[in-house]
Amino acid sequence: QKEVEQNSGPLSVPEGAIASLNCTYSDRGSQSFFWYRQYSGKSPELIMFIYSNGDKEDGRFTAQLNKASQYVSLLIRDSQPSDSATYLCAVRPGGSNQFYFGTGTSLTVIP
Amino acid sequence: KAGVTQTPRYLIKTRGQQVTLSCSPISGHRSVSWYQQTPGQGLQFLFEYFSETQRNKGNFPGRFSGRQFSNSRSEMNVSTLELGDSALYLCASSLWTLTNEQFFGPGTRLTVL
Repeated sequence: QKEVEQNSGPLSVPEGAIASLNCTYSDRGSQSFFWYRQYSGKSPELIMFIYSNGDKEDGRFTAQLNKASQYVSLLIRDSQPSDSATYLCAVRPGGSNQFYFGTGTSLTVIP
Repeated sequence: KAGVTQTPRYLIKTRGQQVTLSCSPISGHRSVSWYQQTPGQGLQFLFEYFSETQRNKGNFPGRFSGRQFSNSRSEMNVSTLELGDSALYLCASSLWTLTNEQFFGPGTRLTVL
């Protein structure tokens, strides 16, 4: 069973702070890693993907991947109230298009 | 470019009935995956289709089935509905690339009474 674990939260941060979301996965053969944002009552929206060890930055978002530790994280700088949502980590094993999702971390940004 | 579309958006059925959900992927995307999302279980993979062939299947009973047409549109069918089938059903499409990022449609909210 390929597992993806996330801290369910809720995680609360003040506006302007850095929010740090973490995810671990069990399958060492995993190849691609994704972060989705899901607002209440809406479908998941792709924020970032990463497939190489290290950091990948896109605006206020930074994804970090450490394959040796089987760990992927998402940093949100200058957090805004509009960032309040559930963040889903997804992992794609090599050779397959079957994504495995964590149960999500609920983030609240307090104005 | 238009996003993934799903119809209908909402459905109310009774136990024992069957239901068919439809998904149209982003233009040019040939892979379509289906997921079930419930508060308790999160996002659970149902199956994936590519070029009209089912390539992957999740751990769901045979009551859940799907198909893909030559234009990449996909349908999923649930027969003999149970109360536990009440969920948000999401369709996602992707290109076959190195990373294969998936883009979700708005979902179909199914309620079984």
